[in-house]
Amino acid sequence: ELKVEQNPLFLSMQEGKNYTIYCNYSTTSDRLYWYRQDPGKSLESLFVLLSNGAVKQEGRLMASLDTKARLSTLHITAAVHDLSATYFCAVDNAGNMLTFGGGTRLMVKP
Amino acid sequence: EPEVTQTPSHQVTQMGQEVILRCVPISNHLYFYWYRQILGQKVEFLVSFYNNEISEKSEIFDDQFSVERPDGSNFTLKIRSTKLEDSAMYFCASSFGQEGNTIYFGEGSWLTVV
Repeated sequence: ELKVEQNPLFLSMQEGKNYTIYCNYSTTSDRLYWYRQDPGKSLESLFVLLSNGAVKQEGRLMASLDTKARLSTLHITAAVHDLSATYFCAVDNAGNMLTFGGGTRLMVKP
Repeated sequence: EPEVTQTPSHQVTQMGQEVILRCVPISNHLYFYWYRQILGQKVEFLVSFYNNEISEKSEIFDDQFSVERPDGSNFTLKIRSTKLEDSAMYFCASSFGQEGNTIYFGEGSWLTVV
């Protein structure tokens, strides 16, 4: 059974600081997704990572995938308040059946 | 930007009642999904649907659940006899292709079973 673990589960950080969210998974996969969820809202797609060594960046967020280590990271650079949300990683091990991590609730303080 | 739309946004139903949750996927998408998120828990896969049939389903998707694409635009999830533990946010999603394609989620339907 595929397990996906994120850490930390909760992250409070100051604006301007950098931090990394980690996503570990238990079985082989080379398809990993990152989503953002604002309270009461939908899951917004951030990144789709499809191969070992994939790195994608959008604004202050950068995601990478190491399939050998079964690890993805979401790095936040110079955080701003607007990035406050819950971030989920999800691993696709068969036909878009995504297994989600528990989410990281990010709070960026001014 | 195209989006997945879901109705109702919130529904309260009595235990044992049938519920139908509706979704309009993005128009040129071919793959459709239902996921759910029980309050405070992980998002869980329920079912995927392609070419008018179920392609994958999870253990959660038992006989009380069914999906249908009754016309060219709607995709529905029916829960025949709701239980208290069915209370959750139900997300519809769609994608154009399968592996590696972005999966777009709707805003969700909150189901409360009392």
